[in-house]
Amino acid sequence: KAGVTQTPRYLIKTRGQQVTLSCSPISGHRSVSWYQQTPGQGLQFLFEYFSETQRNKGNFPGRFSGRQFSNSRSEMNVSTLELGDSALYLCASSLRGLSYNSPLHFGNGTRLTVT
Amino acid sequence: DQQVKQNSPSLSVQEGRISILNCDYTNSMFDYFLWYKKYPAEGPTFLISISSIKDKNEDGRFTVFLNKSAKHLSLHIVPSQPGDSAVYFCAASYLNRDDKIIFGKGTRLHILP
Repeated sequence: KAGVTQTPRYLIKTRGQQVTLSCSPISGHRSVSWYQQTPGQGLQFLFEYFSETQRNKGNFPGRFSGRQFSNSRSEMNVSTLELGDSALYLCASSLRGLSYNSPLHFGNGTRLTVT
Repeated sequence: DQQVKQNSPSLSVQEGRISILNCDYTNSMFDYFLWYKKYPAEGPTFLISISSIKDKNEDGRFTVFLNKSAKHLSLHIVPSQPGDSAVYFCAASYLNRDDKIIFGKGTRLHILP
C-alpha cells in the first residue's frame, strides 16, 4: 500500500508570494490533516479535512487555508508569505480522523523556505 | 498555552540501557495519548498509544505509562538501540470525540555507543 505522498519536497519562495502544497493520502483514508514543524514550536496542528469538509482547525491566521477533493487528496495554501512561515509542512492521513483510536500516517513533508 | 509539554528538549542514553521520555498535559479531558518517532528528512511514524482506561501499554521494547492523576505519561525503551536515536513527539487527543490533536515540542533522543 502506498504511503502518504507530499509534493513538492522543497520550495523556496519570497515574502509576499503565495504557495500551494499537495498531499495524497493512503488509499481509503478519508481524513487528511496538516501540521507545521519548526525548531522552536514542534509540531503544530493546522487543520483537518474529512470527506471534503474542514472538521477541525488550529490557531493559525487566515492566510493558511486548505481544501480536500473528492478523491481525498488535499492541498494547503499559504498566501502573503512571511519569513516566519519557513518550516517543514507535514500532511497526515488516517482512516477515521484525529481521534477514534486512528493513528496518523505522515508524509515526508514539504520544506518551505521564505526569503 | 501549551497543553502538552515535553520538558526535556534532548536526552542522551547509553546503548543497552533504558530510555525514559516524559510528557505532561494540562487538559484532563484528553483520553487518548500517542507517541510518534521522527527521523530527519522523514515524517513522524506512529509508535504506541494508550487510552485513559489503561495505565500501561506495551509493544516489544516500548512501554507507555499513564498517570492520570498527575497528568503525566512516559515512554520507556528497553533496551535502547542506535536506531532509536530520533525525535520523539508525545500527542494527546480524544478517543471518541471529533477534535484536534495536540503535540508536544518533542524530545531528541541520542543513543550513545
